[in-house]
Amino acid sequence: QSVLTQPPSASGIPGQRVTISCSGSSSNIGSNYVYWYQQLPGTAPKLLIYRNNQRPSGVPDRFSGSKSGTSASLAISGLRSEDEADYYCAVWDDSLSGAVFGGGTQLTVL
Amino acid sequence: EVQLLESGGDLVQPGGSLRLSCAASGFTFSSNAMSWVRQAPGKGLEWVSGTSGSGGSTYYADSVKGRFTISRDNSKNTLYLQMNSLRAEDTAVYYCAKDMYNIGPDFEYWGQGTLVTVSS
Repeated sequence: QSVLTQPPSASGIPGQRVTISCSGSSSNIGSNYVYWYQQLPGTAPKLLIYRNNQRPSGVPDRFSGSKSGTSASLAISGLRSEDEADYYCAVWDDSLSGAVFGGGTQLTVL
Repeated sequence: EVQLLESGGDLVQPGGSLRLSCAASGFTFSSNAMSWVRQAPGKGLEWVSGTSGSGGSTYYADSVKGRFTISRDNSKNTLYLQMNSLRAEDTAVYYCAKDMYNIGPDFEYWGQGTLVTVSS
């Protein structure tokens, strides 16, 4: 079990806004930046959000990240079929002296 | 263009050893922290280890500490992962990743992965 808790699944219809949560503790989310990754089937993960809410170049502004206390969220607005993928949050954990990933959320576009 | 090319994945017996390599190009390798991340079949991502640009700082997940060793040869632009005392639960696709700033988890570039299977 991961130290970061994500819902195992989420779903939405095209055009809808969905959010994926990531819950941690004071030693990880509470004191460090949060990162989000998208992994399409059969491919390597792709960085979606860095430093809580920054988007790398090329990532659409439909994707946004936020953090409050020991929790973080990824929001996807204007949902599209190509957004169907697994999403992971990640953060450095000071107690473990290592990086940790959430268990992942499988997003289904209905 | 940044490229990361892993190699060395194979079928190995429990208790055996394996060395993975990651050849990097398209950026100043010695200036960047690098990490290994793995994904067991049908499972989520797990950070394995990371090293600073100079190689002077290294970190490991508890699950591999004492068994795996991360290293780098900056003259060859290559990252390594020496894996000893391998267990069935080490079976996974191993990705090398370029960190954006510090050691993990700001992985801005990933390789395509190499499969390690630990089985008798």
